[in-house]
Amino acid sequence: DITMTQSPSSLSASVGDRLTITCRASQSINSYLNWYQQKPGKAPKLLIYAASSLQSGVPSRFSGSGSGTDFTLTISSVQPEDFATYCCQQGYITPYTFGQGTKLEIK
Amino acid sequence: QVQLQESGPGLVKPSQTLSLTCTVSGGSIYSGSYYWTWIRQPAGKGLECIGRIYTSGSTYYNPSLKSRVTISVDTSKNQLSLTLNSVTAADTAVYYCARGEWFFDCWGQGTLVTVSS
Repeated sequence: DITMTQSPSSLSASVGDRLTITCRASQSINSYLNWYQQKPGKAPKLLIYAASSLQSGVPSRFSGSGSGTDFTLTISSVQPEDFATYCCQQGYITPYTFGQGTKLEIK
Repeated sequence: QVQLQESGPGLVKPSQTLSLTCTVSGGSIYSGSYYWTWIRQPAGKGLECIGRIYTSGSTYYNPSLKSRVTISVDTSKNQLSLTLNSVTAADTAVYYCARGEWFFDCWGQGTLVTVSS
């Protein structure tokens, strides 16, 4: 199975900060990389698919980039509602696999 | 707007069978060329894809669970179902149904299943 490794596992930020989360695949997955946001007790919410395509209804402060094995999720200006856990997922080779998550906390 | 809702027993005994249902509302489960996927998340851990079913009825199962899992669709009820046999404590998790094949754009709220005697 493809292993998805996220870094950092947690980070603290203030409202208005710009931040980047990294996801690395254990082998090339082209651009078949998706990002989700998950809040406690809730289902994941799709933010970005195909590495850089913004899901409908998701604020434009979220963006994704990368291809091959290295990917990033960027939040240009963190808002209070963005404090959550973010995880990546590869959809290139079955079984599709997820990263362990990055928890974004308030500084 | 399509909505998904999981349901089923919250407690299952070891060695028994876990059975969950996902009811799709706001659209037909067969409208469009959609895949419907089951995903689970043990407490404090990452998400794991269990398997999926296509509108044609074809299925894919995670090899790690393939010998124990069945996913099916009941078109008359607009539902998909998951059965997992011979459960152990390691199967304790929140179980989600979701729409999509290689990315998942619509999720149910999830249902917690605990395996314990």
